[in-house]
Amino acid sequence: GDSVTQMEGPVTLSEEAFLTINCTYTATGYPSLFWYVQYPGEGLQLLLKATKADDKGSNKGFEATYRKETTSFHLEKGSVQVSDSAVYFCAQGGNDYKLSFGAGTTVTVRA
Amino acid sequence: DADVTQTPRNRITKTGKRIMLECSQTKGHDRMYWYRQDPGLGLRLIYYSFDVKDINKGEISDGYSVSRQAQAKFSLSLESAIPNQTALYFCATSEGQGHYGYTFGSGTRLTVV
Repeated sequence: GDSVTQMEGPVTLSEEAFLTINCTYTATGYPSLFWYVQYPGEGLQLLLKATKADDKGSNKGFEATYRKETTSFHLEKGSVQVSDSAVYFCAQGGNDYKLSFGAGTTVTVRA
Repeated sequence: DADVTQTPRNRITKTGKRIMLECSQTKGHDRMYWYRQDPGLGLRLIYYSFDVKDINKGEISDGYSVSRQAQAKFSLSLESAIPNQTALYFCATSEGQGHYGYTFGSGTRLTVV
């Protein structure tokens, strides 16, 4: 069935470091891909999305490119801040009724 | 006001008690979902509803029940709470198929002692 696998955490970085969180998916068909972010004590918020191959989603300095050939949607940010400390979830959604989520990656950025 | 509102935000209850978690939305979406989040397990679907008369079990529905009182309201009940139901619970809405993504509430942190 459809599934999402993302890099296990936790990930600890210093401010201004480069962040990459790997995400791969298996799906029948052509899903839309999402990154959600969960800040401490809050619900999940949509960070970015891409709906077709080679699309790049971007928001708040984060980027991810829909790579059909490698079935990947890796999240990147060039210079992280303490405020980026959160749990990040990769997800896919297609013609089915629901999203499939990865297990989440906890990111901690130290000043 | 938030698009998806969950109440309560935090709750501690005793084993064997019945508890209801409530969710209301102003998005006008027909589809609503209940998930639980556990560390290392990500999000698991408990129940989902496509409209007031269409309610379906998700991956982990045992021990839970739901009620869709209106398009905007979807409640989750634990009939007899047990400690392994301690988790963070999220309500979400969607305007359609998975391609649309979800809008989430802020969550209810439930502790069963």
